[in-house]
Amino acid sequence: GENVEQHPSTLSVQEGDSAVIKCTYSDSASNYFPWYKQELGKGPQLIIDIRSNVGEKKDQRIAVTLNKTAKHFSLHITETQPEDSAVYFCAASDYGQNFVFGPGTRLSVLP
Amino acid sequence: DVKVTQSSRYLVKRTGEKVFLECVQDMDHENMFWYRQDPGLGLRLIYFSYDVKMKEKGDIPEGYSVSREKKERFSLILESASTNQTSMYLCASSSRGKGNQPQHFGDGTRLSIL
Repeated sequence: GENVEQHPSTLSVQEGDSAVIKCTYSDSASNYFPWYKQELGKGPQLIIDIRSNVGEKKDQRIAVTLNKTAKHFSLHITETQPEDSAVYFCAASDYGQNFVFGPGTRLSVLP
Repeated sequence: DVKVTQSSRYLVKRTGEKVFLECVQDMDHENMFWYRQDPGLGLRLIYFSYDVKMKEKGDIPEGYSVSREKKERFSLILESASTNQTSMYLCASSSRGKGNQPQHFGDGTRLSIL
């Protein structure tokens, strides 16, 4: 079955710097890759997703890149702000409805 | 906006009790999911359902069962609670659209088994 690894497990950046979180997946049939942000005391919220027919997708300060050959995808956050501090999860899914999640990255943006 | 509501934010139960966790979604989604979240392990799928009265085992179904009598409601049942079931439980729903659709999560139930 699918296995998703995520690095780093914790990440601290200065406000205004960029943050990058990388995930690798094992199943070449996976074709949908969402990213979720989980703030303290809340459930995960979808922040961006990418499908396998696209190499990159941007939404304001957030971007996701996908390398199907290497089977990895990355989340890029530019101009980080304190409110970006949270736990971020990547996931991978094939044509089914189920997701396999990475273990999460705790991002701290230091003022 | 999709709203997934979990009935309790915090719950404390005793070993051996039968525990019910309730989840309701308001977007007419076909698919519903129960996960447990533990530090360093991410989200692990317990059970899911693609339609009313349908249920499928996820990766860690042992000690759990589910019920889906109505489209909007998906219940997780701990038949005889044990201390190793102390965890955060998350419910999610998604639509059966063309291709993969994002899952929308509730805010979770933090369950403690004493």
